Amino acid sequence: EAGVVQSPRYKIIEKKQPVAFWCNPISGHNTLYWYRQNLGQGPELLIRYENEEAVDDSQLPKDRFSAERLKGVDSTLKIQPAELGDSAVYLCASSLRGTGGNEQFFGPGTRLTVL
Amino acid sequence: SQQGEEDPQALSIQEGENATMNCSYKTSINNLQWYRQNSGRGLVHLILIRSNEREKHSGRLRVTLDTSKKSSSLLITASRAADTASYFCATETSGTYKYIFGTGTRLKVLA
Repeated sequence: EAGVVQSPRYKIIEKKQPVAFWCNPISGHNTLYWYRQNLGQGPELLIRYENEEAVDDSQLPKDRFSAERLKGVDSTLKIQPAELGDSAVYLCASSLRGTGGNEQFFGPGTRLTVL
Repeated sequence: SQQGEEDPQALSIQEGENATMNCSYKTSINNLQWYRQNSGRGLVHLILIRSNEREKHSGRLRVTLDTSKKSSSLLITASRAADTASYFCATETSGTYKYIFGTGTRLKVLA
């Protein structure tokens, strides 16, 4: 069974440029998460989807970040415009459901460097 | 802001020794999970303990949970070089179902 797929793996951009990350979750997983992980820290939740609905986007900086999960399968996270402080690893995870203590399966992440 | 605080931040032990790391959190939880992260495999789920459980075992892993102290510990017995990684606790907050990760413990097992 394929795991969570993310692309690209690495991205280097200049500040003020836009950038997008793509995630394909494990087949059958209804819940999809986007996390941001800064160096030496744990992942921080940006947004959680249940199917195509964003049920928790309270920590998504909405002035520059946007996300979508059309058809409740794969998802895209966008930053426009990027700032120096956005440099981090962006992780996508999926689980069968978002409640009840389901294990989250993580993708390899996209390492973003903003110059 | 991250809820979980892990202690110690870094730990270095010899192969064969036991490693213990602790996690403290601030609010009521439904469950607590431990994850491992290394450069080769990314974040991998290790074990889950529910709020009504006090101890759980999985292979060489032993997890305890004390909800009165809002803390958990992860014990890895007979450590191996392959256990070298960062370990994170993640708590599912009651009511919100939001998972909050701790700051992590970096474990190095010396061969």
